[in-house]
Amino acid sequence: KAGVTQTPRYLIKTRGQQVTLSCSPISGHRSVSWYQQTPGQGLQFLFEYFSETQRNKGNFPGRFSGRQFSNSRSEMNVSTLELGDSALYLCASSPQGISTEAFFGQGTRLTVV
Amino acid sequence: EDQVTQSPEALRLQEGESSSLNCSYTVSGLRGLFWYRQDPGKGPEFLFTLYSAGEEKEKERLKATLTKKESFLHITAPKPEDSATYLCAVQGNNAGNMLTFGGGTRLMVKP
Repeated sequence: KAGVTQTPRYLIKTRGQQVTLSCSPISGHRSVSWYQQTPGQGLQFLFEYFSETQRNKGNFPGRFSGRQFSNSRSEMNVSTLELGDSALYLCASSPQGISTEAFFGQGTRLTVV
Repeated sequence: EDQVTQSPEALRLQEGESSSLNCSYTVSGLRGLFWYRQDPGKGPEFLFTLYSAGEEKEKERLKATLTKKESFLHITAPKPEDSATYLCAVQGNNAGNMLTFGGGTRLMVKP
């Protein structure tokens, strides 16, 4: 059974640009959550999608957005990139609407220069 | 607001030297407490979910326990391959599938 797949693995972008990251959850999983991981702040919740609807949102500016497609695949977008957006972006998938299982992908390492 | 604090931030052990990692939490209605292992440059790897005080779970050299305020991850006779960052997270009853993470404990096991 394939795990959570995130693409691309690495990205280098320039300040002011925008970026789109992709996450394919484990087959059959319907909930996708996104997290930002930095050395200073640790793992912080960005948002969660279930059945194409955003159910929860963390304390991040509106430059961070996401969506989920009917096949449960999810994308997150960051517009007007800032140096502080450099981080490891992680996606986690869960099988049900409310679940105590969450499995992470390998992440996308975003570097903003 | 849910909060998770892990201690120590870093721990150096000799191979075979058992120890425990601490995770203190406050949450409005605990649905689950999670332990993950994370290797450098990789995503967190799921280890355990604990649901209620008094519960214990084991996997190889790892044993996780839960009280109403804390969880401990006991590592028995660790090996160098156990070196990693161990993350604790909580999920509250009103949080959907959102996890609130602690800062992690970086474990280094020397041969």
